[in-house]
Amino acid sequence: AQSVTQLGSHVSVSEGALVLLRCNYSSSVPPYLFWYVQYPNQGLQLLLKYTSAATLVKGINGFEAEFKKSETSFHLTKPSAHMSDAAEYFCAVSEEGYNKLIFGAGTRLAVHP
Amino acid sequence: DGGITQSPKYLFRKEGQNVTLSCEQNLNHDAMYWYRQDPGQGLRLIYYSQIVNDFQKGDIAEGYSVSREKKESFPLTVTSAQKNPTAFYLCASSNRQYSNQPQHFGDGTRLSIL
Repeated sequence: AQSVTQLGSHVSVSEGALVLLRCNYSSSVPPYLFWYVQYPNQGLQLLLKYTSAATLVKGINGFEAEFKKSETSFHLTKPSAHMSDAAEYFCAVSEEGYNKLIFGAGTRLAVHP
Repeated sequence: DGGITQSPKYLFRKEGQNVTLSCEQNLNHDAMYWYRQDPGQGLRLIYYSQIVNDFQKGDIAEGYSVSREKKESFPLTVTSAQKNPTAFYLCASSNRQYSNQPQHFGDGTRLSIL
């Protein structure tokens, strides 16, 4: 069965510091992986997706994620945090032929001056 | 612009009352989904539909009902049987034919009990 684990429900960084949000998945077949961002009282917006092409995926707003099969991980990074990055981030997994997404519990990112 | 429209943005329910949340999409997507979001619990799937006139229960369907009479519309009814309806409800859609395609989300409806 598919599952997603996001380590750290809250992460706090200084403005300009590296952002690292962790995501590990469980899947019996090569997965499709997604990162979404949610701002307060809004829906989810797609940041980036991995669909078996390049293992390093670049997304919007300067974010990127690297698919590591050996570690079953898909961590999200951004070299330099901005105040506007403060939001909740969700990792999700799907599989070929399986038209549902399984979401992690989310990580709330705080950025302080 | 194509997208998903959820209405109303805020909704209040009285005891014993059924309420219906609207979700409309103009993305020409076959699949539509309803999620419930509670603080610290991520998104939980309530119902999903892959084609008109067909839908399946998700992980937490008890106390909810849906219909899918049109491709564009997937309304969710929160019945009086749902004893803890206070939550943020999100509707999403996707291209059913391709599992590697992301889901697109509406801006949500926040439901509270009066």
